[in-house]
Amino acid sequence: GAVVSQHPSWVICKSGTSVKIECRSLDFQATTMFWYRQFPKQSLMLMATSNEGSKATYEQGVEKDKFLINHASLTLSTLTVTSAHPEDSSFYICSAPKLDSGANVLTFGAGSRLTVL
Amino acid sequence: QKEVEQNSGPLSVPEGAIASLNCTYSDRGSQSFFWYRQYSGKSPELIMFIYSNGDKEDGRFTAQLNKASQYVSLLIRDSQPSDSATYLCALGAGGYNKLIFGAGTRLAVHP
Repeated sequence: GAVVSQHPSWVICKSGTSVKIECRSLDFQATTMFWYRQFPKQSLMLMATSNEGSKATYEQGVEKDKFLINHASLTLSTLTVTSAHPEDSSFYICSAPKLDSGANVLTFGAGSRLTVL
Repeated sequence: QKEVEQNSGPLSVPEGAIASLNCTYSDRGSQSFFWYRQYSGKSPELIMFIYSNGDKEDGRFTAQLNKASQYVSLLIRDSQPSDSATYLCALGAGGYNKLIFGAGTRLAVHP
């Protein structure tokens, strides 16, 4: 149990376009999901916390108008990278708290690799 | 000072040996600690977590936590080439299920 599905697994887009990444909890409800970004050979950096039915909480330095997060249901959170630029090329990973596993135990999606040309 | 510090490696060990991975952290109030394994191009997968001082064993893996010294380590016994990956140390940030990750240590197990 506790599977998080992320789509697409990879995407290539032109500079200036927007890209949407979906994160779904398949067999459980997730009132909270976390979005991370990972640049090559670097660690995962938390971008924002997605909250079902309310606004996302963004980490310091993350532009909320550029990285739009919507958590419209208990099983779906989306991250939209607006007006993407080459420096936004990265590996984006969502995660959700794993059920009945104690605090902070997260299940990760497979990740989405974004390449902006 | 970074919140979670790890040696980037690579740590190279022969097959069958014990691999020792270390992590230090700055927040004395941290209560939960995690080790994740990440293969290249993949998302992290949880190896184990530890909340209390001392050792916690799970198969070939042993996590060790020393809150007084603010370090947590992971021992991998009988290392296999399939263990070659980047190992991420993470700590829980407050009660909101957030995790703060270290930069990871790359482990290479050679036959």
